[in-house]
Amino acid sequence: DSGVTQTPKHLITATGQRVTLRCSPRSGDLSVYWYQQSLDQGLQFLIQYYNGEERAKGNILERFSAQQFPDLHSELNLSSLELGDSALYFCASSAPGGRGDTGELFFGEGSRLTVL
Amino acid sequence: AQKITQTQPGMFVQEKEAVTLDCTYDTSDPSYGLFWYKQPSSGEMIFLIYQGSYDQQNATEGRYSLNFQKARKSANLVISASQLGDSAMYFCAMREGVYSSASKIIFGSGTRLSIRP
Repeated sequence: DSGVTQTPKHLITATGQRVTLRCSPRSGDLSVYWYQQSLDQGLQFLIQYYNGEERAKGNILERFSAQQFPDLHSELNLSSLELGDSALYFCASSAPGGRGDTGELFFGEGSRLTVL
Repeated sequence: AQKITQTQPGMFVQEKEAVTLDCTYDTSDPSYGLFWYKQPSSGEMIFLIYQGSYDQQNATEGRYSLNFQKARKSANLVISASQLGDSAMYFCAMREGVYSSASKIIFGSGTRLSIRP
């Protein structure tokens, strides 16, 4: 158990709809990362938050948005869903950082989104 | 620009043999870290090993070792005495700005390793 909790584990929805994926990081971790993994593909970096603030951005679509709340949990909002958005969405957290800290990512089990 | 390349989409190895999974990277940041993760068919991401850019020695964790060649910008994963349970997808990843709170961690496209009994 990595200590990172993602909900829901599975989600099936229709094109054009909007969904929210939720992530609770490990206790004490300030950074939250979101990744998208399409079938048999690598992990595409979407966005990183640190202590409530957006810190790094990848190839995140404008239809997608995220935020990190004061209690450090994070939500990824996906709107106007398309068939190609079907993927496994991972949340990961890492420790505050600094010398001696590797910044290792601790992954949740992922939220599998299917868009029909 | 930050980039990670894994050139082996798939590999087959006989059980108990050693295997090397290739990873090359590109970055202009002198402070970076390299990771290897394993993803079995069940889907979870499992951390295997880490190498910092300033580490003098190659990292080792049990049967895993990282062959870090900084000048060549390569960070190959070596698995000794492979086991059937090693069959999985393996991802190389890189973090720039190791001492910064703002850091992308990007992943390579992965190598699917299959161990033959």
